[in-house]
Amino acid sequence: KAGVTQTPRYLIKTRGQQVTLSCSPISGHRSVSWYQQTPGQGLQFLFEYFSETQRNKGNFPGRFSGRQFSNSRSEMNVSTLELGDSALYLCASSAQGTLNTEAFFGQGTRLTVV
Amino acid sequence: GNSVTQMEGPVTLSEEAFLTINCTYTATGYPSLFWYVQYPGEGLQLLLKATKADDKGSNKGFEATYRKETTSFHLEKGSVQVSDSAVYFCALSRDNYGQNFVFGPGTRLSVLP
Repeated sequence: KAGVTQTPRYLIKTRGQQVTLSCSPISGHRSVSWYQQTPGQGLQFLFEYFSETQRNKGNFPGRFSGRQFSNSRSEMNVSTLELGDSALYLCASSAQGTLNTEAFFGQGTRLTVV
Repeated sequence: GNSVTQMEGPVTLSEEAFLTINCTYTATGYPSLFWYVQYPGEGLQLLLKATKADDKGSNKGFEATYRKETTSFHLEKGSVQVSDSAVYFCALSRDNYGQNFVFGPGTRLSVLP
């Protein structure tokens, strides 16, 4: 069974640009969550989607947005990139998105903003 | 707000040594508690979890007990192996509807042969 796939694995963008990251969950999983991992702030929750609806949202500015498609694939978009957006972005999928179902993480997309 | 504190390390042990990684949390109500592990170049993997007070989670020789009175969820293993070298994250979630984890800073463990 294929795991969670995140593309691309590495990305370099210039300050002010926008970027879109993609996450393909495990087949059959309906919940997709996104996290930002940085050395200074650690792992921080961005948002969670379930059946194409945003169900939870973390404390990030509106420049960070996401969506989920009918096949459960999810995209995350960051507009007007800042140097501080450089991070590893992790996606996690689970079958039902409840605490009784395990979340499986992808390997992440490493974004560098220059 | 919700938060998780854990020893940041790095922790360096010899093979077969006893491991303890401390984790304490702050949350209103009764969160569920987790330990995740991140091996080099990989995503996070669930190691174990506990959903109510006094529950003990265990997996691969690791265990942790949910202690409400001390708001703690310390990770232990009796005899570590080189293959246990990784970063360990303690996490909580108060949301029983949806996945919304609050992670600790992570503890890097190196096990020497």
